[in-house]
Amino acid sequence: AQSVSQHNHHVILSEAASLELGCNYSYGGTVNLFWYVQYPGQHLQLLLKYFSGDPLVKGIKGFEAEFIKSKFSFNLRKPSVQWSDTAEYFCAVTPTGGGNKLTFGTGTQLKVEL
Amino acid sequence: DTGVSQDPRHKITKRGQNVTFRCDPISEHNRLYWYRQTLGQGPEFLTYFQNEAQLEKSRLLSDRFSAERPKGSFSTLEIQRTEQGDSAMYLCASSLLAGPQYFGAGTRLSVL
Repeated sequence: AQSVSQHNHHVILSEAASLELGCNYSYGGTVNLFWYVQYPGQHLQLLLKYFSGDPLVKGIKGFEAEFIKSKFSFNLRKPSVQWSDTAEYFCAVTPTGGGNKLTFGTGTQLKVEL
Repeated sequence: DTGVSQDPRHKITKRGQNVTFRCDPISEHNRLYWYRQTLGQGPEFLTYFQNEAQLEKSRLLSDRFSAERPKGSFSTLEIQRTEQGDSAMYLCASSLLAGPQYFGAGTRLSVL
C-alpha cells in the first residue's frame, strides 16, 4: 500500500519569502501526484497535478512542484508567498491504472505573516 | 454552483443514532468517492463508485457504514449506531474516470 509523508507540519513565513513544502511517497509502481490546498473555512481545492511528462508542473496562483522519481518526492514551491497563501496544504498520491483512490499526507499548515 | 455538493454541512447526533449524508457530484463525473478526515490528519479513503457500482471499500468502513449510488448520480453514506469515534469530517469527491478529484465542503459529524 502506498503512503505519503509531509515533513513540515507547521510553517510560518513572512510575505515575499520563498516556500518549499516537502512531500515523499512510498509506492513501488508508477503514480499520479497531487497537491491540494484548503483555505480557512473552505473546501479542498486542487492546486496542481502530475500524471506524466514534464516533471516540473505548474499550478494555480504561482505554485509549482517537481517530481523527482529517484527520490520519490513531489515538493511544492512558490518563489514569493502572499498573506492569502495562508492555508493547509496536502500532498496526495494514487497508483496509475488503479481505482484512483487518493492517499494523503497529514498536511502542512502554512501561515504567512505580513 | 456546479461543484460537488454535500448535505448537511453539520450533523450533531447522539451515540447510537443512525445518520445519513448526501453527496451530489459534478454532473458529468462518473466516479464518486467518500473520505473521512479527523483533526490533524489528511483525508482517508472510505469507498468509491463508478456509476452505480461500488468498486472498492476500505477496511476503515465497518459493517455499520453503508454507501449507495443507486442511479449513478447522487450518493448517500449511512452510519448506523453511531459511536463517538465516528466524529469526523466526511468528504465527498468526484472525478471523470481516473482524472483529478474535486471535493465538496464536507459534512461535519459530531457524536455526543
